Amino acid sequence: ETGVTQTPRHLVMGMTNKKSLKCEQHLGHNAMYWYKQSAKKPLELMFVYSLEERVENNSVPSRFSPECPNSSHLFLHLHTLQPEDSALYLCASSQDPSSGGNEQYFGPGTRLTVT
Amino acid sequence: GQNIDQPTEMTATEGAIVQINCTYQTSGFNGLFWYQQHAGEAPTFLSYNVLDGLEEKGRFSSFLSRSKGYSYLLLKELQMKDSASYLCAVMDSNYQLIWGAGTKLIIKP
Repeated sequence: ETGVTQTPRHLVMGMTNKKSLKCEQHLGHNAMYWYKQSAKKPLELMFVYSLEERVENNSVPSRFSPECPNSSHLFLHLHTLQPEDSALYLCASSQDPSSGGNEQYFGPGTRLTVT
Repeated sequence: GQNIDQPTEMTATEGAIVQINCTYQTSGFNGLFWYQQHAGEAPTFLSYNVLDGLEEKGRFSSFLSRSKGYSYLLLKELQMKDSASYLCAVMDSNYQLIWGAGTKLIIKP
């Protein structure tokens, strides 16, 4: 496989469920990101991992919990979500962002619906 | 606060030229990116500007004026496949991308 992959592509869960989103990048990058994309709103950065350390979490609710076991894998653990959390969750990767000019490569996203 | 503004929607004709504007106010500046996103797909990188001026890449060009906090994406010889959303994003002083809400471009025959 090449690029950035995400599973599952679609997820429907109840508010009391626990689920996890998975992202894998095959590009040799050392930074990975979780974004939330809601209709007609800007992409919201949720978490950044650079060299496997969390750099910023932007005050995301604790019902979202990231995990980055190595530079190629990123997870987003979900529990007791709210209906307003329904959105497209995008994973991205890049080379070290502080070196400048490094574009982010996105996965296809997970379309999450919370019922 | 940080802010990226771009038009919500634009319509253009196949074969024509369209310019999508983006204005920004951010904490620091480490470059401006344009991405294309087709409906139901991931954003894909189009261009990067960090110095003032025009960057040309085939049918697409991107312009930056740092003093004005302004950029535009110019699409020439429009094709139906160019129908998509175009996202403007600025890298701030913390090297994080601040995103606009995107411009939905509709191409008509």
